[in-house]
Amino acid sequence: QQQVKQSPQSLIVQKGGISIINCAYENTAFDYFPWYQQFPGKGPALLIAIRPDVSEKKEGRFTISFNKSAKQFSLHIMDSQPGDSATYFCAASTKNTDKLIFGTGTRLQVFP
Amino acid sequence: GAVVSQHPSRVICKSGTSVKIECRSLDFQATTMFWYRQFPKKSLMLMATSNEGSKATYEQGVEKDKFLINHASLTLSTLTVTSAHPEDSSFYICSARGKAGLYEQYFGPGTRLTVT
Repeated sequence: QQQVKQSPQSLIVQKGGISIINCAYENTAFDYFPWYQQFPGKGPALLIAIRPDVSEKKEGRFTISFNKSAKQFSLHIMDSQPGDSATYFCAASTKNTDKLIFGTGTRLQVFP
Repeated sequence: GAVVSQHPSRVICKSGTSVKIECRSLDFQATTMFWYRQFPKKSLMLMATSNEGSKATYEQGVEKDKFLINHASLTLSTLTVTSAHPEDSSFYICSARGKAGLYEQYFGPGTRLTVT
């Protein structure tokens, strides 16, 4: 019940296209859903996060869509660029625990 | 803002020796710091959670006598890998969170440990 399932494992997108990464969870107590971007050999960087009281949050080219009833959330990267090539992790946590539960990661490659 | 540093970025040590990794929050006070381990092409695995001035809380299966964590101040936490063995070779990443009740965790750049 503590798992966060992430798909796809890898994604290849052409420059200018839309990258979509999906995550699903079971624990309805989760109330914070961040996305992290990680380049090889570096630590994860917080990209964007959402709370369950909104269905969508947009920051620049990055949008989180959140479906509370389906217990799913997704990251959309519009106008994908080669510089977006990285591994993306979704995560979830609750106010009762400090812990972030991470998804398994998606390796995104954007080709020119 | 919200910058977390780690030192060293890379370390090679001989089997049986101990290695200390530092994690610092540079522009905020971190009430809670977390230590993760990451294997190649895998997700982050939480090892322990530490609150300033308190003993760390270790995840199941993590040996607390092997991975010593100290969080002596609001800006510094250290992870000491004692009596390191080749199987301890990994990418170790810390994260820091500000005030209690805030969710955001900010990650350090990671430390690559290689035990020969």
